[in-house]
Amino acid sequence: AQSVSQHNHHVILSEAASLELGCNYSYGGTVNLFWYVQYPGQHLQLLLKYFSGDPLVKGIKGFEAEFIKSKFSFNLRKPSVQWSDTAEYFCAVKHTGTASKLTFGTGTRLQVTL
Amino acid sequence: GAVVSQHPSWVICKSGTSVKIECRSLDFQATTMFWYRQFPKQSLMLMATSNEGSKATYEQGVEKDKFLINHASLTLSTLTVTSAHPEDSSFYICSARDPAPDEQYFGPGTRLTVT
Repeated sequence: AQSVSQHNHHVILSEAASLELGCNYSYGGTVNLFWYVQYPGQHLQLLLKYFSGDPLVKGIKGFEAEFIKSKFSFNLRKPSVQWSDTAEYFCAVKHTGTASKLTFGTGTRLQVTL
Repeated sequence: GAVVSQHPSWVICKSGTSVKIECRSLDFQATTMFWYRQFPKQSLMLMATSNEGSKATYEQGVEKDKFLINHASLTLSTLTVTSAHPEDSSFYICSARDPAPDEQYFGPGTRLTVT
């Protein structure tokens, strides 16, 4: 069974700092990759996704992620975080043969301080 | 983006009773809906996949007789927790798949507390 690892459980950054959240998955076949964000008290929202093509994917709110197939990684980045980026971030993987079933990582709580 | 609602957002029930949670896709038709469970500081665990007009597909380890799922229409799926026990207390989240584009949209979740 596939699994998703997010190594950073809680990250604290000052505003304007750069962000990189790690995501690794354990499946060797064709996958679709996602990053979701959950702001306090709100539902999960899609930040960005990778299906195919350019491995550097740009999402909403200045986020981007790079798919490195050889490392089974899909790390999330943002050059300069804002206080409003404080949220929980989840990486998710979908095996293309699993009827849209998503496997989620454990999440990373990002806290941005002023 | 598309909107998925859940009702109720928060429910407390006594041990042994049943609780029904509704998941609705408000502006699109969802042939497939998913039910997840999220424990504190843990990931979302898929419980079951619900297809309109057919039986739900449960993940390994999920008791189908305890977590009854019904997907009677293209915009509504329900999860009924039967004979609830304190260990069923959790955050339940549904998502609905919009086939065009192929994307899942998540509901805000339902916090269930069983006393």
